[in-house]
Amino acid sequence: SAVISQKPSRDICQRGTSLTIQCQVDSQVTMMFWYRQQPGQSLTLIATANQGSEATYESGFVIDKFPISRPNLTFSTLTVSNMSPEDSSIYLCSVTSGGGETQYFGPGTRLLVL
Amino acid sequence: DAKTTQPTSMDCAEGRAANLPCNHSTISGNEYVYWYRQIHSQGPQYIIHGLKNNETNEMASLIITEDRKSSTLILPHATLRDTAVYYCIVRVRGYGGSQGNLIFGKGTKLSVKP
Repeated sequence: SAVISQKPSRDICQRGTSLTIQCQVDSQVTMMFWYRQQPGQSLTLIATANQGSEATYESGFVIDKFPISRPNLTFSTLTVSNMSPEDSSIYLCSVTSGGGETQYFGPGTRLLVL
Repeated sequence: DAKTTQPTSMDCAEGRAANLPCNHSTISGNEYVYWYRQIHSQGPQYIIHGLKNNETNEMASLIITEDRKSSTLILPHATLRDTAVYYCIVRVRGYGGSQGNLIFGKGTKLSVKP
């Protein structure tokens, strides 16, 4: 299995500011994903972070709001830009391992926007 | 939309087996059944997955019906620490892209009681 860490684990931010969340994996992985979990809701996929190319965004999510970097096979960042209280969520990094058969999740970043 | 149907909530007595059902009547031949759980405020934890045969690991057993239209996750001796939301997900095995990502429904909230 893959061990995933995220930084920061939590943050409280002012509206209009931006926050960059880091995801580090202990092994090289092909696919990395970013999810959002709004309060009381299930997980929603934001985008797939592709190494060496632009991220692939799901419907309802755009690059200007959630820019993603994937400089190598073990690291990715997600930026939440121009934040509003509606962006208050848990943001989760996820990777596939073992030939893509199993997907693992990081501990999440809890974001509160005031 | 999620392709699975699960009860909203279930209770289980500590030490007893917890049997969590899942319906996936529209499952395709190349889709696997995955189970994850999310303990409060943590990232989802992988439990088990299977294609058509029953599977068992150190955490749980997965029973898939012969027609593959439903399955049951069994926690043989539930403890208080098994209290969590359990997600049943169908997914095509393989690398990335929307087709291969996990799509979460609302899951079953399992409460293990002393």
